[in-house]
Amino acid sequence: DPKIIQKPKYLVAVTGSEKILICEQYLGHNAMYWYRQSAKKPLEFMFSYSYQKLMDNQTASSRFQPQSSKKNHLDLQITALKPDDSATYFCASSQDTDQAPLFGEGTRLSVL
Amino acid sequence: GQQVQQSPASLVLQEGENAELQCNFSSTATRLQWFYQRPGGSLVSLLSNPSGTKHTGRLTSTTVTKERRGSLHISSSQITDSGTYLCAMDTGYQNFYFGKGTSLTVIP
Repeated sequence: DPKIIQKPKYLVAVTGSEKILICEQYLGHNAMYWYRQSAKKPLEFMFSYSYQKLMDNQTASSRFQPQSSKKNHLDLQITALKPDDSATYFCASSQDTDQAPLFGEGTRLSVL
Repeated sequence: GQQVQQSPASLVLQEGENAELQCNFSSTATRLQWFYQRPGGSLVSLLSNPSGTKHTGRLTSTTVTKERRGSLHISSSQITDSGTYLCAMDTGYQNFYFGKGTSLTVIP
């Protein structure tokens, strides 16, 4: 069974809409992260959380908001979607922030 | 900004040959991390190395921090090693700057 669950696997949205990407981990990890991979850019870091606190944020736009309702959840809310937001969004987790992350399978977002 | 450059961009090997992947990074990193991306897109952490040499299985990672370079050696390549190998520098809290990757194809 997958230990990091990302939902949905595929998502199609219209420009200007809002979507929430879900991530849950069942590894007992204390740190969770979001990364993004688009066709035009290398894989890039977005956010890191440790014990439900934001540790680092490399996302320039406030349209991207992580939400951590529980220690093993880190959802990603994206508002006012643009076609450039089309990418695969990977959630990851690790026991602590100095250990290599394990990745979910990704959510592939297409914005039309 | 931070940059990570990987070479070669692509590599084709016959099964059993060794591979040497290079990584150069632009500034100080807490460690260099190697990842493998399967053809289907899923990501796997391979080796994390702040400096020196580390081994796991057929993989050897070498990081020379003061020269801002690293390498990944894959010995006795197998068809299942095919995929993309990503080098990333960690500036803290898993804030990785990734290279564009080396696409490895292993043929029989």
